[in-house]
Amino acid sequence: DVKVTQSSRYLVKRTGEKVFLECVQDMDHENMFWYRQDPGLGLRLIYFSYDVKMKEKGDIPEGYSVSREKKERFSLILESASTNQTSMYLCASRGAGSINYEQYFGPGTRLTVT
Amino acid sequence: TQLLEQSPQFLSIQEGENLTVYCNSSSVFSSLQWYRQEPGEGPVLLVTVVTGGEVKKLKRLTFQFGDARKDSSLHITAAQPGDTGLYLCAGAGDMRFGAGTRLTVKP
Repeated sequence: DVKVTQSSRYLVKRTGEKVFLECVQDMDHENMFWYRQDPGLGLRLIYFSYDVKMKEKGDIPEGYSVSREKKERFSLILESASTNQTSMYLCASRGAGSINYEQYFGPGTRLTVT
Repeated sequence: TQLLEQSPQFLSIQEGENLTVYCNSSSVFSSLQWYRQEPGEGPVLLVTVVTGGEVKKLKRLTFQFGDARKDSSLHITAAQPGDTGLYLCAGAGDMRFGAGTRLTVKP
């Protein structure tokens, strides 16, 4: 059974803290993605990665960075958390040879920045 | 960026009713996907439609891709409480999602 796991389901951080969100997939997928989900705005792409050590900016990369040192792990970093980064963060993966471009999602991390 | 607009934003119906939700864009898509997201979980792929005019059925769910490949619809027959969730459309391979339709089916 395919699986994408995220390090925390709920996280509360203070403004200015450095925050690490971890995502691990066990499907040997080349592609991994980070989204944030806000009511009325849907899923917005923050960063994605096609391969180890490779990253591409999505639509809203400001205030975020990513790291992909191993194929199975994709980390999202908030360098200095701000209240407007309070959101649900979703990680996804997809195989390079996926015929229908199916993305597999983790359960999400609900981050609150106070 | 290819924008996807979904309507309605919210839908609350009684068990047994039929419903249709829509996904529209001004851009042409090579294919479109529908995902369902249940509370506390990530989205799960329901279907990918590829050919203009294509109709796919998944039990009580019928998905249609517009002839011009700019829009899609999801029709649910005899909705059940288990259908409750957020329905999202996405451009396949595009990594962009609509804002979703939040469906509540009351018993």
